[in-house]
Amino acid sequence: EVQLVESGGGLVQPGGSLKLSCAASGFSFSASVMHWVRQASGKGLEWVGRIRSKADSYATAYAASVKGRFTISRDDSKNTAYLQMNSLKTEDTAVYYCSSALNSWGQGTLVTVSS
Amino acid sequence: QSVPTQPPSASGTPGQRVTISCSGSSSNIGKNNVNWYQQLPGTAPKLLIYSNNQRPSGVPDRFSGSKSGTSASLAISGLQSEDEADYYCAAWDDSLSGCVFGGGTKLTVL
Repeated sequence: EVQLVESGGGLVQPGGSLKLSCAASGFSFSASVMHWVRQASGKGLEWVGRIRSKADSYATAYAASVKGRFTISRDDSKNTAYLQMNSLKTEDTAVYYCSSALNSWGQGTLVTVSS
Repeated sequence: QSVPTQPPSASGTPGQRVTISCSGSSSNIGKNNVNWYQQLPGTAPKLLIYSNNQRPSGVPDRFSGSKSGTSASLAISGLQSEDEADYYCAAWDDSLSGCVFGGGTKLTVL
């Protein structure tokens, strides 16, 4: 059974940093493209970015709204993907989901950016 | 480029057939496959349709997808109360080099 478990969310002040983790099991993590998607309260889904596999040189891509502030990485030895978020803004407040190839999704972790 | 557009709401009665549209552009739906997601209240999105019209195992055949040009549609036949949820279309956008989601459609079963 595919499982994705996000962690690391919480309350952070504007301008601060936070690192989310996504622990994966039940599928070939190392071969999978991993995405991060967020959803502000009462709003729709917004794609944040993705990281491809080693075979594709771990290539990353980001939404314009987070480019230069967010970094996606992965550790295939730990079956874990990460989302490093810097220079956080109040508009980054959302539930953050990780997803394998936009097929399977985790339960999400809440990030609140507020003073 | 145009981010996919969905109607904000749709409704139907039990047993009825409803369709949800997703209108995109040549850089996203026109060139790439479309996925559809169902999000029940308070839960994570669930893949409903992939590659325009394919159902993952476990998804009832009441759900079907189609694509023509720069638009896609999700059809739900034999509507049931448990189908009440938010539905999102998504596709890769070559111009943005990123994935784009439609704004979502809230389906109400009357």
